[in-house]
Amino acid sequence: DAGVIQSPRHEVTEMGQEVTLRCKPISGHNSLFWYRQTMMRGLELLIYFNNNVPIDDSGMPEDRFSAKMPNASFSTLKIQPSEPRDSAVYFCASSLRSGGQNEQFFGPGTRLTVL
Amino acid sequence: DQQVKQNSPSLSVQEGRISILNCDYTNSMFDYFLWYKKYPAEGPTFLISISSIKDKNEDGRFTVFLNKSAKHLSLHIVPSQPGDSAVYFCAARIPAGKSTFGDGTTLTVKP
Repeated sequence: DAGVIQSPRHEVTEMGQEVTLRCKPISGHNSLFWYRQTMMRGLELLIYFNNNVPIDDSGMPEDRFSAKMPNASFSTLKIQPSEPRDSAVYFCASSLRSGGQNEQFFGPGTRLTVL
Repeated sequence: DQQVKQNSPSLSVQEGRISILNCDYTNSMFDYFLWYKKYPAEGPTFLISISSIKDKNEDGRFTVFLNKSAKHLSLHIVPSQPGDSAVYFCAARIPAGKSTFGDGTTLTVKP
């Protein structure tokens, strides 16, 4: 398996532009998570899905952020309009929700820079 | 309210010695605790976990200890190797599946 795939790996955009981050989870996994990592706030959970349904989006910073999971193999995180303070590394992770430890498998991340 | 805390931002140890990374939590509902390791420019990778019903779990050079009364867990790495140099995140999971991560501890193992 190729693991969790994220694209793009790097994104540089100007303030006010729309940004779309993409994630392909590991096949068979039924939970998907979006995280943001910054120096100031560490690793923050933004939103997570179980079986393509958003379960908890309390970490989404504001209405400029939205996430979708139209099917089990694809999710997007969109920022519109983007602001310089959105600059961070965004990670997608997936897991197989079962009765066990349910460890998460992370993608390589997307480094977003908003100028 | 930070439910998972790693109070030491960094730790430096000599190769061959023991590394001890600590983590404190506040929520009694956590049922699993996990450690992840992260290298620069990569996503975190799962390292080891422990169920809340256990007090120790060992996997090779890595051992995690859980003290529920103190709401404290620790990760021991023995012997430490230079390749262990990374950021280590402690995470705690509620039964619904959501995990809360600590801020991480940067471990440096000197040759």
